[in-house]
Amino acid sequence: DAGVIQSPRHEVTEMGQEVTLRCKPISGHDYLFWYRQTMMRGLELLIYFNNNVPIDDSGMPEDRFSAKMPNASFSTLKIQPSEPRDSAVYFCASSPGLAGGYSNEQFFGPGTRLTVL
Amino acid sequence: AQSVSQHNHHVILSEAASLELGCNYSYGGTVNLFWYVQYPGQHLQLLLKYFSGDPLVKGIKGFEAEFIKSKFSFNLRKPSVQWSDTAEYFCAVTPHSGGYQKVTFGIGTKLQVIP
Repeated sequence: DAGVIQSPRHEVTEMGQEVTLRCKPISGHDYLFWYRQTMMRGLELLIYFNNNVPIDDSGMPEDRFSAKMPNASFSTLKIQPSEPRDSAVYFCASSPGLAGGYSNEQFFGPGTRLTVL
Repeated sequence: AQSVSQHNHHVILSEAASLELGCNYSYGGTVNLFWYVQYPGQHLQLLLKYFSGDPLVKGIKGFEAEFIKSKFSFNLRKPSVQWSDTAEYFCAVTPHSGGYQKVTFGIGTKLQVIP
């Protein structure tokens, strides 16, 4: 398996623009997570899905952020409009859930480094 | 809800020195515990994990961690570090249950190994 795939790897945009980050989880994993990593706040969970359904979005900072998972192999995290304080590395991770005995081990993608000017 | 504390935010060691990174968690029940490593510019990778059984867990690259239930601790150790161990290390905890539970990560400890 190729692991968790994220695109783009780097994104530079201007304030006010819409940004869409993409993630393909490991096949067969029931859980998908979006994290944001910054120097100041460390690794923050934004939202997670189980079987394509959003379960906990309490970490989403505000209404400018939205996430979807239209099918088991694809998820997007959208920021509209983007602001400089959104600059961070965004990680997607997946977890096997029941198939993995609910070990809760997470497999991370390479991340998207977002810079909002 | 559970929480994780990593006391050392930045550690600098010379090669061959011994390493111990502290991790304490807060949760009233049984837990699963993890250490993840993030090498510069890369994503998080699992270093080792504890679910049950022997509290001394051995992971990749010579790392080990000991679960001490009475102290709510899961410290990471390596007897002799190498320059290639320079990375950020994250402790994580999740309740141990029959269903999925959210994983809580610590703030991370940056380790710098000087040749």
